[in-house]
Amino acid sequence: GQNIDQPTEMTATEGAIVQINCTYQTSGFNGLFWYQQHAGEAPTFLSYNVLDGLEEKGRFSSFLSRSKGYSYLLLKELQMKDSASYLCAVPRGGYSSASKIIFGSGTRLSIRP
Amino acid sequence: NAGVTQTPKFRVLKTGQSMTLLCAQDMNHEYMYWYRQDPGMGLRLIHYSVGEGTTAKGEVPDGYNVSRLKKQNFLLGLESAAPSQTSVYFCASNRQGTGELFFGEGSRLTVL
Repeated sequence: GQNIDQPTEMTATEGAIVQINCTYQTSGFNGLFWYQQHAGEAPTFLSYNVLDGLEEKGRFSSFLSRSKGYSYLLLKELQMKDSASYLCAVPRGGYSSASKIIFGSGTRLSIRP
Repeated sequence: NAGVTQTPKFRVLKTGQSMTLLCAQDMNHEYMYWYRQDPGMGLRLIHYSVGEGTTAKGEVPDGYNVSRLKKQNFLLGLESAAPSQTSVYFCASNRQGTGELFFGEGSRLTVL
């Protein structure tokens, strides 16, 4: 949706590290969200980046480069429960500034023992 | 604390029937959204609202109408359901466009 690109599927091993990339159209940038969605459930918030750099939150970190239109989500010490889809989303200008939150198609992450 | 509540959770319709999905939030959020999610895909924005009495089109608005008569409620209507509208519908809200989105549990709609 609206030039937000993520890999469709990824596979990783329990205990390892995985990086999920997201690229987006840089015009009118207001920040970038990452959400986690387990099968059959609603998305849950992971992070919101508005400035360049890495933000760490436990086993999950999110990185942003505004000039490159690029973000990644880094998951460390992978656990089986991390098997889920990971969605990046950007608020775009709409009715008012940054009011349309548009999601990418999501990356389905499978963790193998 | 209920958060965001969607009703109904499940519904089966015949082609041409109409229905309304209700979304209610108790967090005093200004912004509310309706998304649809098809198998293996991300969320696509149908309509959204930045406050009571205001609505706007998202990415896939055709075949849907919305109303925001009260701040806490955002209604999604299908006037004449089509099989292509079979999907899971999620409502979400936040305090402002750049704030964390809170989602309802989803409503699974099947149109035969």
